[in-house]
Amino acid sequence: AQSVTQLDSHVSVSEGTPVLLRCNYSSSYSPSLFWYVQHPNKGLQLLLKYTSAATLVKGINGFEAEFKKSETSFHLTKPSAHMSDAAEYFCVVSAFSGTYKYIFGTGTRLKVLA
Amino acid sequence: NAGVTQTPKFQVLKTGQSMTLQCAQDMNHNSMYWYRQDPGMGLRLIYYSASEGTTDKGEVPNGYNVSRLNKREFSLRLESAAPSQTSVYFCASREFGVGTEAFFGQGTRLTVV
Repeated sequence: AQSVTQLDSHVSVSEGTPVLLRCNYSSSYSPSLFWYVQHPNKGLQLLLKYTSAATLVKGINGFEAEFKKSETSFHLTKPSAHMSDAAEYFCVVSAFSGTYKYIFGTGTRLKVLA
Repeated sequence: NAGVTQTPKFQVLKTGQSMTLQCAQDMNHNSMYWYRQDPGMGLRLIYYSASEGTTDKGEVPNGYNVSRLNKREFSLRLESAAPSQTSVYFCASREFGVGTEAFFGQGTRLTVV
């Protein structure tokens, strides 16, 4: 079975400062990992994905994430927050365990202060 | 391209009523999913269909049924709606495989009174 834990339900940063959203995963098989963003009352947009190629993955809007197998982590970072980054972020794990489930974390709400 | 289309976008039901949420995708994907989103709980998997002709329970299947009508369409049915089923429902599709990303519909906001 696989699962994902997002360690912070809320994160606040000042505009222009770095963003760190933490995600740990559990999987019996080699996982693929994804980050999605959801702006208020909107749908879900893929930011980036890891699929066993490079461990440092670059996504849209300046976000990136690093896969660390030894720490079972896939944290999302951005060097400088923008007001438009305020949204909810979800970490997702997928691994073959008989079927291909696609399991979400509980989300991290990012607030960006002016 | 339409991608993943859900209908309706909004619905209010009375307790005990039934309804079907419709989902269709035009990307020729094999796998389709139904999730519900509640504050603080992320998206929880209700049912999924790895490929046409198969369906499996997810984390929260009680009170729901699904039908994979064909490769394009995957419907979610509430037989007897309860207030606890008030939620936002998302349908998604993806190509078969571990590393493929899912594409989501815009959601259905369901209120059960």
